[in-house]
Amino acid sequence: GENVEQHPSTLSVQEGDSAVIKCTYSDSASNYFPWYKQELGKRPQLIIDIRSNVGEKKDQRIAVTLNKTAKHFSLHITETQPEDSAVYFCAASPLNSGGSNYKLTFGKGTLLTVNP
Amino acid sequence: DSGVTQTPKHLITATGQRVTLRCSPRSGDLSVYWYQQSLDQGLQFLIQYYNGEERAKGNILERFSAQQFPDLHSELNLSSLELGDSALYFCASSLGGGGDEQFFGPGTRLTVL
Repeated sequence: GENVEQHPSTLSVQEGDSAVIKCTYSDSASNYFPWYKQELGKRPQLIIDIRSNVGEKKDQRIAVTLNKTAKHFSLHITETQPEDSAVYFCAASPLNSGGSNYKLTFGKGTLLTVNP
Repeated sequence: DSGVTQTPKHLITATGQRVTLRCSPRSGDLSVYWYQQSLDQGLQFLIQYYNGEERAKGNILERFSAQQFPDLHSELNLSSLELGDSALYFCASSLGGGGDEQFFGPGTRLTVL
């Protein structure tokens, strides 16, 4: 089955700096890669996702890059703010041809702390 | 608020018991997913239902079972509970099943004593 490794497990940055979280996956059939943010005691929320037909996607201060050859993808957060502090999870999933089989495998998470 | 509801919010029970967790998806969503989140195992996919049918299975124990009803709500049944089953159980829903955004519910915290 799929195995997703996520690094680092903790990351501390100063407000305004950039943060990068990296994930690798094992199953070459995976072609959907979402990132979730989970604040303490709350539910995971999707912040950005990327599919294997693109290499990079941006949404304001957040970007995700994908290298399918190397089987790794990364989350980049620029101009970090204290409210970015949370646990971030990467995930990978294959989609079957019918698109109805959707099985996310998550990384172990990265605790990001943004210091004011 | 994601629109996904889960009950109960907290559940405390004893080893060997059986519990049922309930999830109501967002209006219009056909897929329901169950996840288990624990400190040592992280966030793990258990099972997916799409319009009443099981569509994908993850690391779900044989002691656990789930179903999705005609009104699309879903229940996760956990039996012969063990201490290690203590975790946060999330339900998520999506419009379809093929890579649509999954919206998570608030979770049910299960404590097995």
